[in-house]
Amino acid sequence: DTGVSQNPRHKITKRGQNVTFRCDPISEHNRLYWYRQTLGQGPEFLTYFQNEAQLEKSRLLSDRFSAERPKGSFSTLEIQRTEQGDSAMYLCASSTGLAGGFLASSGANVLTFGAGSRLTVL
Amino acid sequence: AQSVTQPDIHITVSEGASLELRCNYSYGATPYLFWYVQSPGQGLQLLLKYFSGDTLVQGIKGFEAEFKRSQSSFNLRKPSVHWSDAAEYFCAVGGGLTGGGNKLTFGTGTQLKVEL
Repeated sequence: DTGVSQNPRHKITKRGQNVTFRCDPISEHNRLYWYRQTLGQGPEFLTYFQNEAQLEKSRLLSDRFSAERPKGSFSTLEIQRTEQGDSAMYLCASSTGLAGGFLASSGANVLTFGAGSRLTVL
Repeated sequence: AQSVTQPDIHITVSEGASLELRCNYSYGATPYLFWYVQSPGQGLQLLLKYFSGDTLVQGIKGFEAEFKRSQSSFNLRKPSVHWSDAAEYFCAVGGGLTGGGNKLTFGTGTQLKVEL
């Protein structure tokens, strides 16, 4: 178990450029989440997948953002036409779990986070 | 809507002193509560969680937290702080058996500084 891996760890780009982040979850985890964290704030939910299906998207995820998990394994988060307000840490997390939310008696459904991908838009 | 309040943005304690970090939540049903720690440049590491049962839960690194339903609180404690505990601490709340995955709502965090 190598944990949740995110690449690149840092990305500096100019406004208007597209960027893509990759997340490799823990192999046996079927759920994958994307969060965004800005300076001085806690992580904010963006979207999550169960296997390859994207089941929920936050209102924070504008049309310029797209996330995929094509084979139910790794995921990509693409930001098109970046803006300075997109500067943040993008965190990926994964977990096990069944459809229907938490299992009260199980350690499943606990999110394991990656180290994050920090985006700076100039 | 669920929410988490961490009223202390910064806390400074001396090494060896006790620590309590406050967390208040708002949730319409039985909450699932978590504390995570984040060191600079790192992701979030789970310290402990409360799902049900005993309201005093033990976590890693000597931390514990107590769930108090009447006060809507889930405060984090440690009897003796070590310099390596300096980090940012996040409280989070998630839904129960409501479907829709394990979406967590985080507080804004408490930055802990430890004086030697």
